[in-house]
Amino acid sequence: EVQLVESGGGLVQPGGSLRLSCAASGFTFSSYWMHWVRQAPGKGLVWVSRINSDGSSTSYADSVKGRFTISRDNAKNTLYLQMNSLRAEDTAVYYCARPRRDGYNYELDYWGQGTLVTVSS
Amino acid sequence: EIVMTQSPATLSVSPGERATLSCRASQSVSSNLAWYQQKPGQAPRLLIYGASTRATGIPARFSGSGSGTEFTLTISSLQSEDFAVYYCQQYNNWRSTFGGGTKVEIK
Repeated sequence: EVQLVESGGGLVQPGGSLRLSCAASGFTFSSYWMHWVRQAPGKGLVWVSRINSDGSSTSYADSVKGRFTISRDNAKNTLYLQMNSLRAEDTAVYYCARPRRDGYNYELDYWGQGTLVTVSS
Repeated sequence: EIVMTQSPATLSVSPGERATLSCRASQSVSSNLAWYQQKPGQAPRLLIYGASTRATGIPARFSGSGSGTEFTLTISSLQSEDFAVYYCQQYNNWRSTFGGGTKVEIK
């Protein structure tokens, strides 16, 4: 069974940093591109970032580029999102998501339960 | 950045009726379009990918159509479990974007 479990969320002050983790199991993690998607309270989904299978290629939404860094450790089956220079508008539930097939794919078929990040003083 | 616009924002439908949701892209995304369903307190669920292919386990009452800039999700006969928020997502380039969502509520 595919499982994605996010952790690392919490309350952080504006300008602060946080690192999210997503522990994956039930599939060959190293074969799949992985994504982060966020959702502010009561708002819609926003695609944040993706990373390819071996970690050599990444993409970011304009709203987080230069502040967030996606990475992965295939030996630990774990996806990360390092978030720096956090702003109030980054407050959201952050989901990690796996596409429905391996390789280049953005069709997000498996999602974690999400971890809440609150940026406030 | 490709902007995805969904309409209407809210759709009031009676159970058993047909629901038609629209999604428009600011530029062509070919058929690189997916639809998701999200219920309160839950993660999204993939319904449709490639604009018209149902994901595994999705009932046949859900269908997707369109290409280029205009897309439609149709729910042929709404069941009680279908009342939710629906999002479209384009993935025609490296940076994906979602639409703002359509809430389907009970009339």
